[in-house]
Amino acid sequence: QQQVKQSPQSLIVQKGGISIINCAYENTAFDYFPWYQQFPGKGPALLIAIRPDVSEKKEGRFTISFNKSAKQFSLHIMDSQPGDSATYFCAPRVGSARQLTFGSGTQLTVLP
Amino acid sequence: GAVVSQHPSWVICKSGTSVKIECRSLDFQATTMFWYRQFPKQSLMLMATSNEGSKATYEQGVEKDKFLINHASLTLSTLTVTSAHPEDSSFYICSARDPLVVEQFFGPGTRLTVL
Repeated sequence: QQQVKQSPQSLIVQKGGISIINCAYENTAFDYFPWYQQFPGKGPALLIAIRPDVSEKKEGRFTISFNKSAKQFSLHIMDSQPGDSATYFCAPRVGSARQLTFGSGTQLTVLP
Repeated sequence: GAVVSQHPSWVICKSGTSVKIECRSLDFQATTMFWYRQFPKQSLMLMATSNEGSKATYEQGVEKDKFLINHASLTLSTLTVTSAHPEDSSFYICSARDPLVVEQFFGPGTRLTVL
C-alpha cells in the first residue's frame, strides 16, 4: 500500500515563478506534515512543516497548504530562485516518536 | 539548529570487507536514531530504527545480520555493513530525533562504493 503519493516527479520553472508540489496520503493517523529539501550529495533538511489543526503555514517564500478532507498537502515556493533547485520530499509522520514516511520526491529545476 | 554528523562522508571498499559508518548528534541527546538508504534519483528508504541501549528495529526486507546497528550512547549510533557487496553501494543517511523539539535532524550522508 502506497501511503504517500507525491507529484510531479520533476518540475521546471522560470526564475521568479511559483513552484507547486503536491502530496496525497492515505493514513488518516498522520499528524505532522513536513517538507524536506535535499541537495545532491547531502542529507535532507527540514524546510517547513504543518500540524493538521491549521490549513496554511507560511515561512518566507515557502507556504504549506493543508486539506484534511482531501488528505492532501502541498508546498508552494513563491518567487522561485535558481538556488531552490533541489529535490523536495513530503514525509508525513504519526506521532512524535515514529518514523517519517517519505514521498517519492520532486526534482525542481529553476531556470535563471 | 541541531547538528548531526556522519563519518566518513564517503568510503570505497573491496567486496567482502566490512564498513562502519558513524552518526553523531553534536548538540543534543538523541534517544532515537534512524538509518536510511537512498539509491540515485530515488527516495529515502528506512532501514532501521535504533533506540539508545536497546536492539534496533529493522524494516521488512533489511537483513539485520548484514546491517549491524549499535546505539550505545545518546549521541552515537553506528551502522556496520558486513561482507559488503557491490549491490550495497548506496548513499546511507542517518537522522537523530531531538526529544525536546520532537523533530528529526538528518546527517549529511555517507556515500558507500563497493568494488
